[in-house]
Amino acid sequence: AQTVTQSQPEMSVQEAETVTLSCTYDTSESDYYLFWYKQPPSRQMILVIRQEAYKQQNATENRFSVNFQKAAKSFSLKISDSQLGDAAMYFCAYRSAASSYQTGANNLFFGTGTRLTVIP
Amino acid sequence: KAGVTQTPRYLIKTRGQQVTLSCSPISGHRSVSWYQQTPGQGLQFLFEYFSETQRNKGNFPGRFSGRQFSNSRSEMNVSTLELGDSALYLCASSLTRGSTEAFFGQGTRLTVV
Repeated sequence: AQTVTQSQPEMSVQEAETVTLSCTYDTSESDYYLFWYKQPPSRQMILVIRQEAYKQQNATENRFSVNFQKAAKSFSLKISDSQLGDAAMYFCAYRSAASSYQTGANNLFFGTGTRLTVIP
Repeated sequence: KAGVTQTPRYLIKTRGQQVTLSCSPISGHRSVSWYQQTPGQGLQFLFEYFSETQRNKGNFPGRFSGRQFSNSRSEMNVSTLELGDSALYLCASSLTRGSTEAFFGQGTRLTVV
């Protein structure tokens, strides 16, 4: 079974600074997707960024970027110019790309999360 | 476009009772998945429904069940509630099974006393 590990239960960053959240995963599959979700106090999981395993180029979304190391099975999230609104729980997640229309598992496997505090 | 709507937002039940939670996916989305979030176990997959059929199920006892209606709305039911069922239950909707993005609702916070 796929496992996702986030080894940093808590992180803090000064406003306007940069922070990197770590994530490693274990899988025997070659085709999959990786995600970073943000869960603010409102509890709603919000997709921050997505990476397809077949793409070598690291995904970026405005201030958010990832460092995807497929061989090392590592997927870290870098937040630049941190803002107060970035404070939240961040979850790394894995999903197989093997699912087809009718069969296969397309559920997400989540890490245990990293609580990010942004210091004004 | 309205997001994923989960009702109720909060629920308090007594051990032994049963509970039904509802999830209305984004209009046009046909795949609905349910997750349980607890401090101890984190986020765990419960089941997925697509075209009114359960397509995938996580490792939960048979007390946890669900269904999906023709309009893609989904319900999950937990019978004979236990204290350990206290959790945030999150619903996620996707356009189809192959979609790479899942949109989550705000969840239902269930407390079993």
